[in-house]
Amino acid sequence: DAGVIQSPRHEVTEMGQEVTLRCKPISGHNSLFWYRQTMMRGLELLIYFNNNVPIDDSGMPEDRFSAKMPNASFSTLKIQPSEPRDSAVYFCASSGDRGQPQHFGDGTRLSIL
Amino acid sequence: QKEVEQDPGPLSVPEGAIVSLNCTYSNSAFQYFMWYRQYSRKGPELLMYTYSSGNKEDGRFTAQVDKSSKYISLFIRDSQPSDSATYLCAMDSSYKLIFGSGTRLLVRP
Repeated sequence: DAGVIQSPRHEVTEMGQEVTLRCKPISGHNSLFWYRQTMMRGLELLIYFNNNVPIDDSGMPEDRFSAKMPNASFSTLKIQPSEPRDSAVYFCASSGDRGQPQHFGDGTRLSIL
Repeated sequence: QKEVEQDPGPLSVPEGAIVSLNCTYSNSAFQYFMWYRQYSRKGPELLMYTYSSGNKEDGRFTAQVDKSSKYISLFIRDSQPSDSATYLCAMDSSYKLIFGSGTRLLVRP
């Protein structure tokens, strides 16, 4: 079984540039989550989609962050413009119905210079 | 006060030891309890998943949930150097997972 697939694995870019992170959830899962992990704050939920619809985006830090899920097999997280404080590891996770556990991808390690 | 408290460690044990990892929580509404293992530069990997109180065993791993005390534990028997990782507890609040900060475990050969 293919797990959650994220790309790119690493991204290094300069401040002010647009960054797009991609995620392919596990086939058949109807919930998708974007997280950010830092040493200081641990794992933080950014946004949650259910059946491709954003349900909770209260964790999105500010308007520079946006996320889309155009279909059941693809989601993007975009940062525009990027800032050094956005440097972190960004994870995508997916799950089935309520009560089913979340499965994580291996993340995108983002460095903004 | 955080909703989920977890000792960050690091916890260093010799190979073969029994390891006990713990989390406490404050929200009595949590129903699903998970343990994830995270190796360096990898995503969290689901280890154990339990519903409500009780024990669950899977090979060398045992998860315990005590809802009356708001306390969950993960036991690792016959620990191996390959168990060296960060262990995160997580709890389900509706659709949202609330994570502990993670405990770093080092198993010395």
